[in-house]
Amino acid sequence: KNQVEQSPQSLIILEGKNCTLQCNYTVSPFSNLRWYKQDTGRGPVSLTIMTFSENTKSNGRYTATLDADTKQSSLHITASQLSDSASYICVVSGQAGTALIFGKGTTLSVSS
Amino acid sequence: ETGVTQTPRHLVMGMTNKKSLKCEQHLGHNAMYWYKQSAKKPLELMFVYSLEERVENNSVPSRFSPECPNSSHLFLHLHTLQPEDSALYLCASSQDMGNEKLFFGSGTQLSVL
Repeated sequence: KNQVEQSPQSLIILEGKNCTLQCNYTVSPFSNLRWYKQDTGRGPVSLTIMTFSENTKSNGRYTATLDADTKQSSLHITASQLSDSASYICVVSGQAGTALIFGKGTTLSVSS
Repeated sequence: ETGVTQTPRHLVMGMTNKKSLKCEQHLGHNAMYWYKQSAKKPLELMFVYSLEERVENNSVPSRFSPECPNSSHLFLHLHTLQPEDSALYLCASSQDMGNEKLFFGSGTQLSVL
């Protein structure tokens, strides 16, 4: 069964600290993996996409990694800011024409 | 602003009411989607339209009725809903169907009393 599991479910960190969010998937065949950020009261916004051949990709303070062999991805946030408080959703695309598989998300709270 | 606008932002309705959710995209995309987001659950795909034709209906109860009059507008008509239908309803669009980047609206927070 195609599944996406995210951990932790929620996380609280102090402003300025780093954190890493995890995404494990069982989707096969695999096409790509996206990380979305969803602010409270808003829809999700794409942060980055990882394809099969990519291991690491950065978008400002966000760095995503992908290990296609172990079917794991991580999102590392450096020097967190209050505006990073949001839900982070991992979405995996399988074979073309099939539905996207969504994780439940990780809720990150950054406090001052 | 993602280019996808949803109205209303909040909606409270009784189980016997009829209401409609509206979505408009200004991105020139060919595919539009309705998703349901409930607490502690992954987003659930409800309907997909590609070039104004419905291409997917994920076993959604008939009390939800979608309509896509043109490539820029998408509606979700609601009638005789149940309290368990209370959720955030998100509209999204993408350039084409498939493994594409989704652009989401801000959603309609629906409460069924």
